[in-house]
Amino acid sequence: DAKTTQPNSMESNEEEPVHLPCNHSTISGTDYIHWYRQLPSQGPEYVIHGLTSNVNNRMASLAIAEDRKSSTLILHRATLRDAAVYYCIQGDYKLSFGAGTTVTVRA
Amino acid sequence: DTEVTQTPKHLVMGMTNKKSLKCEQHMGHRAMYWYKQKAKKPPELMFVYSYEKLSINESVPSRFSPECPNSSLLNLHLHALQPEDSALYLCASSQAVFGGATLSFGSGTQLSVL
Repeated sequence: DAKTTQPNSMESNEEEPVHLPCNHSTISGTDYIHWYRQLPSQGPEYVIHGLTSNVNNRMASLAIAEDRKSSTLILHRATLRDAAVYYCIQGDYKLSFGAGTTVTVRA
Repeated sequence: DTEVTQTPKHLVMGMTNKKSLKCEQHMGHRAMYWYKQKAKKPPELMFVYSYEKLSINESVPSRFSPECPNSSLLNLHLHALQPEDSALYLCASSQAVFGGATLSFGSGTQLSVL
């Protein structure tokens, strides 16, 4: 069962930052926070993951709350290619996908 | 090579047919996965193989039979499927099965059961 809560949808303008929130209030000490995204007609794509500390990579940043009950995925400059369903997943390698957030990017 | 390759991309089969889906990766990953995704729904885990041994079966009906012939290949054998089994079948791989493992997914096989 999915254990995270995300907004159904978010809209952004091209070249503006996008902040995607996720609540995971039942997270345990060993659960990772994973983010994947799925573009139309493709399989999910790994975005970023973390355990306790904030994480940055070439795609995005992950800000994890101090109590770990919530996190935010940050896309620094949205492009049209970032339009996708973004999944926040609490747990381990057995990814249990929730409904995700559909991100729309306006040109 | 950083890809997970799935074949075929599309498959149409009747309820009495036997068919197989194939998945291949050459990243040296030792864990491989099958997920099922219905239209406009999130992917659902079906099976996990670790070091070529089945480690997780999420109570999948026996008409789906996974096989891992070697560390690079994963098959899903299909027999006597029902129309409700029509879905996108996704294969994934990871270095191993541990909490922080990141999965690489293929593009999937779109299956239609008539």
